[in-house]
Amino acid sequence: DAKTTQPPSMDCAEGRAANLPCNHSTISGNEYVYWYRQIHSQGPQYIIHGLKNNETNEMASLIITEDRKSSTLILPHATLRDTAVYYCIVRFNTGNQFYFGTGTSLTVIP
Amino acid sequence: DTGVSQNPRHKITKRGQNVTFRCDPISEHNRLYWYRQTLGQGPEFLTYFQNEAQLEKSRLLSDRFSAERPKGSFSTLEIQRTEQGDSAMYLCASSPTGSSGANVLTFGAGSRLTVL
Repeated sequence: DAKTTQPPSMDCAEGRAANLPCNHSTISGNEYVYWYRQIHSQGPQYIIHGLKNNETNEMASLIITEDRKSSTLILPHATLRDTAVYYCIVRFNTGNQFYFGTGTSLTVIP
Repeated sequence: DTGVSQNPRHKITKRGQNVTFRCDPISEHNRLYWYRQTLGQGPEFLTYFQNEAQLEKSRLLSDRFSAERPKGSFSTLEIQRTEQGDSAMYLCASSPTGSSGANVLTFGAGSRLTVL
């Protein structure tokens, strides 16, 4: 079973906020939500992570619902360089496997 | 610190040949991971090391695959008798040791394998 569900693709106008949703309804109480992105032909790049509270860093904001069954990654002012595949990840069970899924392909449009 | 380094970046080989990839993690990171990524898919977990000990292996890691981390620093991933289905990007990641809580992985740029 998939650990996370994301829309396969999204578009966003340059300069606008990009809001990328993720469902993780089977998340356990001590599992973190991680977001990574991958630009074509590069390795995944860490963006942000969170457990229960909303988080913000220089790249993005992470909003986690109170029941923790879903989250939203917000890129406040999308640029063309933000065009990438964005992965929402939770750790698989109690091991160290991070389940990536197929992610959301975000295209920032000029 | 230059991050996670992977070599070679690209490898083209003929079916049946053996190939080896090397990963040099961030120096202070005790944990090292190998993932495989095929076109249009997200990375899939292969195996994980804590120092020199290989603690988890995915069922994707067939007996033709072997990974080592002999001194707890760099790691190698060898594929014997390559098949066309092995064509993929092989990603290495490392992370610091944490007794609990978040575990942020830093990925390398990957090694792309093409089996003809």
